[in-house]
Amino acid sequence: EAQVTQNPRYLITVTGKKLTVTCSQNMNHEYMSWYRQDPGLGLRQIYYSMNVEVTDKGDVPEGYKVSRKEKRNFPLILESPSPNQTSLYFCASSYQRGNNEQFFGPGTRLTVL
Amino acid sequence: SQQGEEDPQALSIQEGENATMNCSYKTSINNLQWYRQNSGRGLVHLILIRSNEREKHSGRLRVTLDTSKKSSSLLITASRAADTASYFCATDAGSARQLTFGSGTQLTVLP
Repeated sequence: EAQVTQNPRYLITVTGKKLTVTCSQNMNHEYMSWYRQDPGLGLRQIYYSMNVEVTDKGDVPEGYKVSRKEKRNFPLILESPSPNQTSLYFCASSYQRGNNEQFFGPGTRLTVL
Repeated sequence: SQQGEEDPQALSIQEGENATMNCSYKTSINNLQWYRQNSGRGLVHLILIRSNEREKHSGRLRVTLDTSKKSSSLLITASRAADTASYFCATDAGSARQLTFGSGTQLTVLP
């Protein structure tokens, strides 16, 4: 089954404790992206990747890191999480370009205390 | 940055009625896509309409696009309680970087 998976689905952590949210897709998509979704602000892009070893900042990259060492994986790293990073996070992938149909993961609800 | 703005922000209807949601955008586009999001879940692609198309159907969904008015509408006919979700439009303005998502319409279908 074609899908995008994220782990963990729920995470409660404390300020400053490094964490990684994993994202994996099995569709051989070149493009992958991370979004955060906050009430009243819609979906905002954090980082995106056009292919292996090619990553770039989205609209709200501060406080986040990503890597793309393999085509299928695109982890999101919070080196020192802060309460303003409490949000619902989505990973998405698409064929070749970011303006093609996007396939979304199930989401990761992160709470930073 | 948000280009698409959905209207209304929230819509509540009875089962069996039709639901219409609108999306307005600001710049020229290549295509416009509609997505659905069940509460707290990932978005799911519903339909894509290209800039040279005016109307498209998929099952109970009908999408129209008016590029002169920079607007699109999504019509769900004979709605069901299971259609309760948020609906987002997303525009492709030619950037390979991303689609630009609107803020969404929350649809509630009452049984």
